[in-house]
Amino acid sequence: TQLLEQSPQFLSIQEGENLTVYCNSSSVFSSLQWYRQEPGEGPVLLVTVVTGGEVKKLKRLTFQFGDARKDSSLHITAAQPGDTGLYLCANTGFQKLVFGTGTRLLVSP
Amino acid sequence: DTGVSQDPRHKITKRGQNVTFRCDPISEHNRLYWYRQTLGQGPEFLTYFQNEAQLEKSRLLSDRFSAERPKGSFSTLEIQRTEQGDSAMYLCASSLRGTESQGHTGELFFGEGSRLTVL
Repeated sequence: TQLLEQSPQFLSIQEGENLTVYCNSSSVFSSLQWYRQEPGEGPVLLVTVVTGGEVKKLKRLTFQFGDARKDSSLHITAAQPGDTGLYLCANTGFQKLVFGTGTRLLVSP
Repeated sequence: DTGVSQDPRHKITKRGQNVTFRCDPISEHNRLYWYRQTLGQGPEFLTYFQNEAQLEKSRLLSDRFSAERPKGSFSTLEIQRTEQGDSAMYLCASSLRGTESQGHTGELFFGEGSRLTVL
């Protein structure tokens, strides 16, 4: 069974700071998705990365897929309170999503 | 609203009672998923359907859990003889069959969840 560990588990920062969260797998990803979940809501897809070494940008968010496709990072520049939420990575293989343990981000004004 | 809808949003029940959750997916989506999520954790896969066929069930899904999608549209998840350990958020998601460019599973569209509290 694939294990997806995310770090840190919890991050509390001030508005304007930069941060990076990590997702590490015990085995190779088929491809990887990042989701954000706000309190009381379901997760919402941010990005899908498929190719090792791939980098994708979504406004202030930069997603990187490791060369060996066993890890990924999400970097947020100049965090805003609207970035608050639970960030989840997920492996898309095997016809279903297997989610990581999640990183809970709190951005204070 | 054409998103995934779940009902009820909240359910409080006593241990031993049966509960049923309903999920209405996005109408053109042929795949429907159920996940369970406890506070601060990532969602755990329970089961999924392609059209009306239940293709996979997690080992997490004990005999007390049953899911159906009788006409390939809405789905129900029933929990019999609830236990306190069943308290969680039950999330439903739907998708179209994925393409290679999207990753094998494609994008999942989640509902807002049904929160179960077993007293």
